[in-house]
Amino acid sequence: DAEITQSPRHKITETGRQVTLACHQTWNHNNMFWYRQDLGHGLRLIHYSYGVQDTNKGEVSDGYSVSRSNTEDLPLTLESAASSQTSVYFCASSERAGSPYNEQFFGPGTRLTVL
Amino acid sequence: DQQVKQNSPSLSVQEGRISILNCDYTNSMFDYFLWYKKYPAEGPTFLISISSIKDKNEDGRFTVFLNKSAKHLSLHIVPSQPGDSAVYFCAARSAGGTSYGKLTFGQGTILTVHP
Repeated sequence: DAEITQSPRHKITETGRQVTLACHQTWNHNNMFWYRQDLGHGLRLIHYSYGVQDTNKGEVSDGYSVSRSNTEDLPLTLESAASSQTSVYFCASSERAGSPYNEQFFGPGTRLTVL
Repeated sequence: DQQVKQNSPSLSVQEGRISILNCDYTNSMFDYFLWYKKYPAEGPTFLISISSIKDKNEDGRFTVFLNKSAKHLSLHIVPSQPGDSAVYFCAARSAGGTSYGKLTFGQGTILTVHP
């Protein structure tokens, strides 16, 4: 069965360290997204990609970067982790941008703690 | 500026009764609306959606109503069951341009259904 996975599921790091969160999907979806979930803010979009070599900034992109070298993966990198980046991170994917439904399928999440 | 708002952080309902979750939006360019359900330690899962050209969509116990003039949508769950206890997110899709396919999420409402 097609799926979307995230790793690690839990991560504790220190301020200033570089951290990379992995996202892998086997749906063969063109679109991939990264969100963070924080109490009182819901899900906020960090970065997204509509295909290989395409990346775009979301509403809370400062301090984060992504790269898309193939269809299946969209790793999220925190260049220099800050305590404000402690959060739960979700990766999602969906069909091409013209799809009528644009239902996004979410991974299980990564809980990141920055000390 | 929160374009999608869920003003009730939580809702408590008795089993068998109706649950009504509300969502308001401000952007007239939204053309498609979705509800997601999220259990603890899991990613959100798609529940039901509605196009902006409709005012109602029903799927089993779940019905979504859209009032475009009021920029308001609601999710009705009848009858409510203890397994419906979860966080519910409202989301809206941008109609066009470079934002097509992106979803903007509300803050979420925690639904608790008591036996």
